[in-house]
Amino acid sequence: KAGVTQTPRYLIKTRGQQVTLSCSPISGHRSVSWYQQTPGQGLQFLFEYFSETQRNKGNFPGRFSGRQFSNSRSEMNVSTLELGDSALYLCASSLGEGEETQYFGPGTRLLVL
Amino acid sequence: KNQVEQSPQSLIILEGKNCTLQCNYTVSPFSNLRWYKQDTGRGPVSLTIMTFSENTKSNGRYTATLDADTKQSSLHITASQLSDSASYICVVTPNDYKLSFGAGTTVTVRA
Repeated sequence: KAGVTQTPRYLIKTRGQQVTLSCSPISGHRSVSWYQQTPGQGLQFLFEYFSETQRNKGNFPGRFSGRQFSNSRSEMNVSTLELGDSALYLCASSLGEGEETQYFGPGTRLLVL
Repeated sequence: KNQVEQSPQSLIILEGKNCTLQCNYTVSPFSNLRWYKQDTGRGPVSLTIMTFSENTKSNGRYTATLDADTKQSSLHITASQLSDSASYICVVTPNDYKLSFGAGTTVTVRA
């Protein structure tokens, strides 16, 4: 099976712009979770989608939003970008039914200038 | 305060030697505790998953232990290889699923 894919891999934006990141989970996986990783804060949970519904949410401002489509692909949107949003954004997919393993994509590295 | 603390922050070991990474957590109750390996520039890869009732879980040369009473977990790497150079992250999943991540331990294996 193909792994989790994320596009784009690298992105440069300026403050105030918005950005949309995409994640395609492993075939058959219904859960997609998004994480932000920065050198200072480590990995932080953004939100999780399961069957097109947001099932869990971390402690990020409303500028961070997401959605999931019927084919389980997910997008994450960040509006009004701030310098502090520069980070590696990772998505992980899993079956979504319990204690199973999450499989991470390679991430999208976002730089906000 | 982070609910998951990892130590050491980084370590360097010689190829073939063993090492142990520590993870102390305050998250309670929790559903499971996971260890991930993250190579530079890549996404994390799951090594082990343990529920609160499990004491140990192995994956090849990686062995994770869990003491739910003291809220401590460790990851032991046996006979280290150059490819073990990576960041190792401890993740605790509480019952509300808002995952708590440790800052990671960076392991460097030298020939």
